[in-house]
Amino acid sequence: GENVEQHPSTLSVQEGDSAVIKCTYSDSASNYFPWYKQELGKRPQLIIDIRSNVGEKKDQRIAVTLNKTAKHFSLHITETQPEDSAVYFCAAHSGTYKYIFGTGTRLKVLA
Amino acid sequence: SAVISQKPSRDICQRGTSLTIQCQVDSQVTMMFWYRQQPGQSLTLIATANQGSEATYESGFVIDKFPISRPNLTFSTLTVSNMSPEDSSIYLCSVGLNGGSGDTQYFGPGTRLTVL
Repeated sequence: GENVEQHPSTLSVQEGDSAVIKCTYSDSASNYFPWYKQELGKRPQLIIDIRSNVGEKKDQRIAVTLNKTAKHFSLHITETQPEDSAVYFCAAHSGTYKYIFGTGTRLKVLA
Repeated sequence: SAVISQKPSRDICQRGTSLTIQCQVDSQVTMMFWYRQQPGQSLTLIATANQGSEATYESGFVIDKFPISRPNLTFSTLTVSNMSPEDSSIYLCSVGLNGGSGDTQYFGPGTRLTVL
C-alpha cells in the first residue's frame, strides 16, 4: 500500500546549524507534499508545501526540495533556532484528498 | 487558512462509555477528516467526512466504533464508542482547503482522551 518513510527519527543540531529531514514516498501519483511542525501539546501546523510541478520552494529559513524521479522530498532549515525544536511530519497527497504521513522527526536545537 | 475549534479539549472517561467530539470551522468546507495520534506517534487517518454522504473509513476503523456525523459544511462530530484504555489518544479533526497550494489540510487543536 501507500507509504511514506521519514528519516531521521530524531535529530539534534547546534543553534545556527542547518537541519535536513528526508522523506520517500511510494505512490507515483502523489502530487502534493506538505510539511507540518508540531510543538509539544499543540496541533500540527503547516510550515511549507510543494507541488509535483516544482522542484524547490523556499520561505525564509525553510526550504523544501522534491525529486519526482527518486520519489523523495526533503525539508531544509537553515540557521536553526531553539524555537525550531519540535516534531516535524512530512506527508504525501495523491489527489484522493487523503494524506499519507511520515513517522515524524523530533528536532532538538541545542543552544 | 481556517479557524478550527474542537470540544472538549480533553476528557477522562470510564471504560465502556462513549464520547462525542465536536469540530467546528469558521468557513464552509467540503472535506473534513478525523485523525488519531497516539503518544509519540504519527497521525493516523480514521475517516473522511463529506457533507451529504457517508463517511469513508480507513482500514482498521469501523463505523460502529467511530460513528461520524457531518450535518453541514462547518461542523462534524466523531464518537468514540464503547471505549477501552486502548482508545486513549489525541483525536484531531482537519479541514481540506483548496488554496493556491492545493488541497491543504489545517488541523483543529485536538481532543486528548484518557480512558480508565
